[in-house]
Amino acid sequence: GAGVSQSPSNKVTEKGKDVELRCDPISGHTALYWYRQRLGQGLEFLIYFQGNSAPDKSGLPSDRFSAERTGESVSTLTIQRTQQEDSAVYLCASSLVFGANVLTFGAGSRLTVL
Amino acid sequence: SQQGEEDPQALSIQEGENATMNCSYKTSINNLQWYRQNSGRGLVHLILIRSNEREKHSGRLRVTLDTSKKSSSLLITASRAADTASYFCATGTNFGNEKLTFGTGTRLTIIP
Repeated sequence: GAGVSQSPSNKVTEKGKDVELRCDPISGHTALYWYRQRLGQGLEFLIYFQGNSAPDKSGLPSDRFSAERTGESVSTLTIQRTQQEDSAVYLCASSLVFGANVLTFGAGSRLTVL
Repeated sequence: SQQGEEDPQALSIQEGENATMNCSYKTSINNLQWYRQNSGRGLVHLILIRSNEREKHSGRLRVTLDTSKKSSSLLITASRAADTASYFCATGTNFGNEKLTFGTGTRLTIIP
């Protein structure tokens, strides 16, 4: 596609429910990143993919968070048993090749946990 | 943890004036980038400066990098109302770790 697409754009869920957030990167971009941004704060790195593998999972806040990528394309970030502190905007970004650090961001998925 | 910290956290200036934002970081870097964010959603890449560069220009933007002080500045000249946004610096190590680490951001408001 022309840009990085994320869905849903907004998600309201109840505490304890699982949520899935989806990212469609720019076609041909091999690197994909997930960041979290709490209200009024900076970006917190979660995980990145090189192809379908995730060499660095150190940013995932807890074992309730997981992510996968298939076909060197779509990625899904899953949050199990959501907590109120998970409320944030989840931003996905992609870059063309390994080592090309300029990121193209999606518009984000705003998650609200009640 | 945040690698970079922007200064000031918030800045309000009159349209037409110049805006300067600073970024400090902690570890050795390969490059430093500046991004803009409108309305708390996606970020847009503005400019990249490599560790062996000291200054770079792009339109009304001027970025400087001082690796000895581990700091960078972003200057926006002749500001416009459309420049109102949050600005983030991001550092890349490219030493086998491809993630960019973002600072806490400067909220810039241009007063018409």
